[in-house]
Amino acid sequence: SQQGEEDPQALSIQEGENATMNCSYKTSINNLQWYRQNSGRGLVHLILIRSNEREKHSGRLRVTLDTSKKSSSLLITASRAADTASYFCATDESGGSNYKLTFGKGTLLTVNP
Amino acid sequence: DGGITQSPKYLFRKEGQNVTLSCEQNLNHDAMYWYRQDPGQGLRLIYYSQIVNDFQKGDIAEGYSVSREKKESFPLTVTSAQKNPTAFYLCASSTIFQGRQPQHFGDGTRLSIL
Repeated sequence: SQQGEEDPQALSIQEGENATMNCSYKTSINNLQWYRQNSGRGLVHLILIRSNEREKHSGRLRVTLDTSKKSSSLLITASRAADTASYFCATDESGGSNYKLTFGKGTLLTVNP
Repeated sequence: DGGITQSPKYLFRKEGQNVTLSCEQNLNHDAMYWYRQDPGQGLRLIYYSQIVNDFQKGDIAEGYSVSREKKESFPLTVTSAQKNPTAFYLCASSTIFQGRQPQHFGDGTRLSIL
C-alpha cells in the first residue's frame, strides 16, 4: 500500500522562485526522508527528519514535519535549472524491526531558465 | 570512490528466459535492497537483506529471486514467472548502525522485453 503521497504530482516554476512539495503518510513513523531523482538515474538522499523533529535545514532545502497531521513539506529556495528532477518522500514506519522504506510516487519539478 | 554499481545499464529479456541483474557495493553496508520503478511511479520493494545469507520478501517478490552470499553483492534474478518485467530496477544499500539511516542508490538497470 502507498504510505507516502506527494503533492503536487508536477510543478513548473521559473528559476529563482521557491518550490514547495508536500508529502502525506498514513502510519506512525521513525523518520521521513526526501530523495531526488534525475531522469534515468538512481535516487540521491537529500535530508532525513526524525519523528521528534519539526524542522530541518540543509543549504537551500527546508523540511518540516507535522506528525499530528502526518505530513511533511520540502521547500527549495531560489531554485535553479539544475534542480529539475523528481522528488520523493520515503517513510520508515515505527514498530518494525527491519530497515525498509516506503516511497511515494514523487513530484516532478521543472525549473525553467 | 565508494558507491553502488549496477550492471548492465540496459538489459533485454526473451520470453521464457531468466535474467540476472548485478548489484555491488563497496560502502561496507550491511543492508541491501532491490526496488522496481515503473514510469511515473514510486519505488516498490522487491527484496531486501540485512545480513549475509539472509533476505526477506518485499511487497512484490513474486517472479523474482535473490541471493546474498557476500556482503558486497546482492544479485537479482528476474525469472520467466515474472510476466511483466519491463521496468527500471534500482539497488540500494544502507548501514543499520545506530538505527535507520539513508539509503544509497545505484544508477539502475532498465529491463525490456524482446
